[in-house]
Amino acid sequence: GAGVSQSPSNKVTEKGKDVELRCDPISGHTALYWYRQRLGQGLEFLIYFQGNSAPDKSGLPSDRFSAERTGESVSTLTIQRTQQEDSAVYLCASSLARVAGYEQYFGPGTRLTVT
Amino acid sequence: AQSVAQPEDQVNVAEGNPLTVKCTYSVSGNPYLFWYVQYPNRGLQFLLKYITGDNLVKGSYGFEAEFNKSQTSFHLKKPSALVSDSALYFCAVRGNVRSGNTGKLIFGQGTTLQVKP
Repeated sequence: GAGVSQSPSNKVTEKGKDVELRCDPISGHTALYWYRQRLGQGLEFLIYFQGNSAPDKSGLPSDRFSAERTGESVSTLTIQRTQQEDSAVYLCASSLARVAGYEQYFGPGTRLTVT
Repeated sequence: AQSVAQPEDQVNVAEGNPLTVKCTYSVSGNPYLFWYVQYPNRGLQFLLKYITGDNLVKGSYGFEAEFNKSQTSFHLKKPSALVSDSALYFCAVRGNVRSGNTGKLIFGQGTTLQVKP
């Protein structure tokens, strides 16, 4: 079946502009996660959604970052007033559930470059 | 607090030789442990996981990992490396939420595996 998809695959934006990144999880997956991967570094957790529960926003680096999810479907990550340090690959993942041993399935990522 | 350490930035091995990529973790309660692989310009792919049961877990592409509770380790292994195994490998841990963990997946910094012909 279809995996996690993300769009756009690449985004170049000017400093100070807002960007919106989209994630389509695997159908039926109730949990959705956003991560950031800076060049040569590991994954940095940003936020996750589980069904209708309040999202865990503890990883968002500043109030310029926000994310929404409609039910158990599409999620958007918005970065306002982008800065050069926001340049990274933004990865989305989904899983069957937040707890227990369900592995996360990752999308191909959106490469964001802030000039 | 949950944490994962991958002590080696890079592991070099000759094709056909066994390989080990190290991972240690810290979490309260019983851990859920995962290995992912990332090929260049690609997303992460799930390799294997330990939830409970046998300490030796077998996964995709001939990889396996050994859970060692006393050493809090979950090293990734393969008996005979292939050049195509060259990639970036991530270890990750999630604690049991009933033990006070958040349920988030915490990743190590990654280890680059280079297999030379």
